[in-house]
Amino acid sequence: ETGVTQSPTHLIKTRGQQVTLRCSSQSGHNTVSWYQQALGQGPQFIFQYYREEENGRGNFPPRFSGLQFPNYSSELNVNALELDDSALYLCATGGGSDANSGYTFGSGTRLTVV
Amino acid sequence: TQLLEQSPQFLSIQEGENLTVYCNSSSVFSSLQWYRQEPGEGPVLLVTVVTGGEVKKLKRLTFQFGDARKDSSLHITAAQPGDTGLYLCAGPGSSNTGKLIFGQGTTLQVKP
Repeated sequence: ETGVTQSPTHLIKTRGQQVTLRCSSQSGHNTVSWYQQALGQGPQFIFQYYREEENGRGNFPPRFSGLQFPNYSSELNVNALELDDSALYLCATGGGSDANSGYTFGSGTRLTVV
Repeated sequence: TQLLEQSPQFLSIQEGENLTVYCNSSSVFSSLQWYRQEPGEGPVLLVTVVTGGEVKKLKRLTFQFGDARKDSSLHITAAQPGDTGLYLCAGPGSSNTGKLIFGQGTTLQVKP
């Protein structure tokens, strides 16, 4: 139990659909990051939110969007799903502007696009 | 572009053997972190190394940060089946966004 909870744990969607993934933290960190991890690969940075504002973005198209709420929970939204979006999506708290400090990851949401 | 390359990608050994995993880059990193990930779980932080030449020990695991802060290694002594998992090195991106750059990972299988 890491204190970072993601839901749902597994999800199957059809190509072209939209999906919303959720993340909450027991510690109430004001920084949350989202990563995409393809099978057998390391996680890839999607974006980070700090105090409800996007604070940085990786090489992902605009159909990947996010929200952070006043209680510091977060959502990742993906529109117009493609087959290549099938992956494990990880939420992480901590780090902030000091990425030398460690991150706490949730267990992830396994998304399968068919 | 900052990249981290890990080697080997896969490692299958017998219980009791020693092993070393390498994490290399052509870029300088202010720090490097090592994570371990089990199937169906997120990565769990093992250690952060910050100073060039730094060596940190965590029980049977020894982590080293290269003098030039471009590489790191993880050495496991007398591996056990419980060490099985995906080992990831990661370092902060150059922009001040808290972005972590991960290597592609090393899958370790320790057979009893």
